[in-house]
Amino acid sequence: NAGVTQTPKFQVLKTGQSMTLQCAQDMNHEYMSWYRQDPGMGLRLIHYSVGAGITDQGEVPNGYNVSRSTTEDFPLRLLSAAPSQTSVYFCASRRDIGYGYTFGSGTRLTVV
Amino acid sequence: LAKTTQPISMDSYEGQEVNITCSHNNIATNDYITWYQQFPSQGPRFIIQGYKTKVTNEVASLFIPADRKSSTLSLPRVSLSDTAVYYCLVGGMNSGYSTLTFGKGTMLLVSP
Repeated sequence: NAGVTQTPKFQVLKTGQSMTLQCAQDMNHEYMSWYRQDPGMGLRLIHYSVGAGITDQGEVPNGYNVSRSTTEDFPLRLLSAAPSQTSVYFCASRRDIGYGYTFGSGTRLTVV
Repeated sequence: LAKTTQPISMDSYEGQEVNITCSHNNIATNDYITWYQQFPSQGPRFIIQGYKTKVTNEVASLFIPADRKSSTLSLPRVSLSDTAVYYCLVGGMNSGYSTLTFGKGTMLLVSP
């Protein structure tokens, strides 16, 4: 049972490039979300999904897109990378609102 | 939104009991209180969740007074490995998924 798997673990992008951060969970969780964490800050919610085909914006959605075609996968797309998107990105899932999140190990992204 | 306030940092010694208090004055009737632990370079890990009175599991206890405007995470006999950031979150069934936001947390440093 792998839990929540994020790939890649590290990535360097040039300004203007696009890329997709992958997130997969094998726990059949309906709820999935993406957070970013900057130095000295807590985690801020980017986008979330309450089930396949259903997504919505969180606190800081600008510059990011998501889709949820299957229960297992919830990729995060950076459309045109900017230095302000340099951060550590965490994907999380949970079974239902009354349960705790399970987090992935994170993707450290640097935009130069 | 149920905003939370926690101390920025706390210091303790091995073997002591640590109590971290979180204030959430505008908690809604259906909100749960949840605590997470985060080690450097890792995603947060769910510790405990409660609604009222006291909840205990194998790693911590959560005390919630009758007015639910605050909560206290209690870590018995801490060790060096408990050095981490601890986050208090408030949210629940009717307050919307996006309101489950992480603040800056409490940095707990345990010394020998």
